Amino acid sequence: ETGVTQTPRHLVMGMTNKKSLKCEQHLGHNAMYWYKQSAKKPLELMFVYNFKEQTENNSVPSRFSPECPNSSHLFLHLHTLQPEDSALYLCASSQDSQITDTQYFGPGTRLTVL
Amino acid sequence: AQSVAQPEDQVNVAEGNPLTVKCTYSVSGNPYLFWYVQYPNRGLQFLLKYITGDNLVKGSYGFEAEFNKSQTSFHLKKPSALVSDSALYFCAVRALRTNAGKSTFGDGTTLTVKP
Repeated sequence: ETGVTQTPRHLVMGMTNKKSLKCEQHLGHNAMYWYKQSAKKPLELMFVYNFKEQTENNSVPSRFSPECPNSSHLFLHLHTLQPEDSALYLCASSQDSQITDTQYFGPGTRLTVL
Repeated sequence: AQSVAQPEDQVNVAEGNPLTVKCTYSVSGNPYLFWYVQYPNRGLQFLLKYITGDNLVKGSYGFEAEFNKSQTSFHLKKPSALVSDSALYFCAVRALRTNAGKSTFGDGTTLTVKP
């Protein structure tokens, strides 16, 4: 395993629900990321946090709300999602957000929006 | 603009044969190149990266990749494929001068190794 855990592994929600995805890294890293992986599309970077501060929001709709209470935990709060938001959501961490740093990925949360 | 191309959606090889998964890139300035593997229902696992120095990079599970600046390529190779190598492989590139150092991933190549 990579040292990055994600819960839940699978989530089914209606468009009016509110849910949260959780990511925890046990690597002592300072940077954390959310990616979206849709079928037939390349990975899309959503958010980047470095030392708990958001440093990147890649034009993500406001129905996705990230939270990073400390360097080990990252959340993605979901509300009023659309069916096209169904995807695998991957969390990653790296030592810092330096360009040469390797990112370590969690197993992902498979989200289905009905 | 920054881009990565994995020209083959699918690569099929027989066990014991050499394998190559192709990747070409386009950036401004020096590229930093990465290969990841994804098994079903799993996240991406890091295989290897090129930052600087020797053009031949050795990584996990016997994989290696060669950085070719003139051809803007970073093909992944393994001398002898295993059935357990069957998975989805992603190439990624970063560059300081394009995309602010953020990763751009290729679409992925599915490798199938047959016994």
